[in-house]
Amino acid sequence: GENVEQHPSTLSVQEGDSAVIKCTYSDSASNYFPWYKQELGKRPQLIIDIRSNVGEKKDQRIAVTLNKTAKHFSLHITETQPEDSAVYFCAASTGTGRRALTFGSGTRLQVQP
Amino acid sequence: NAGVTQTPKFQVLKTGQSMTLQCAQDMNHNSMYWYRQDPGMGLRLIYYSASEGTTDKGEVPNGYNVSRLNKREFSLRLESAAPSQTSVYFCASSSDSGNTIYFGEGSWLTVV
Repeated sequence: GENVEQHPSTLSVQEGDSAVIKCTYSDSASNYFPWYKQELGKRPQLIIDIRSNVGEKKDQRIAVTLNKTAKHFSLHITETQPEDSAVYFCAASTGTGRRALTFGSGTRLQVQP
Repeated sequence: NAGVTQTPKFQVLKTGQSMTLQCAQDMNHNSMYWYRQDPGMGLRLIYYSASEGTTDKGEVPNGYNVSRLNKREFSLRLESAAPSQTSVYFCASSSDSGNTIYFGEGSWLTVV
């Protein structure tokens, strides 16, 4: 089955700096790659996703890039703010039949004011 | 429109006791899931249901059973709880047209 590895496990940045979180996946058939943000004690919530026919997608201060050849994708947050502090999860799925996501182990992002 | 709702939010069980986590969604989604979340291990799939009447094992199904009661409801049962099942459990759902998964608020389960 699919295996998703995520790095780093913790990331501390100064407010206003950029943050990058990277994930690799194992199943070349995977074609859907979402990113979830989870604040302490709350549910994971989708912040951005990308499909395999797209190389990059942006939404205000966040962007995701996908390299299907290398089987990795990354989350980029620019101009970080204290409210960006949370745990971020990447995930991947093939979208066929099963339609279940395999998640990475998470990155705890701390934005220092 | 409540999305995905699950109950109970908190539960303490003794080893060997049984319980059922309830989940319902009002988004007319076909697919439903149960994940567990443990520190440092992300979200791991326990069971999923691609459509009403079907269920399949995920990554960590041992010790659990599920029932897709109808299109809206998907319950998770622990027949004989063990301390290793102490975790946060998330129910989720998605439509067939895409893979975006929407999560419930979570159920914090402690087995002592």
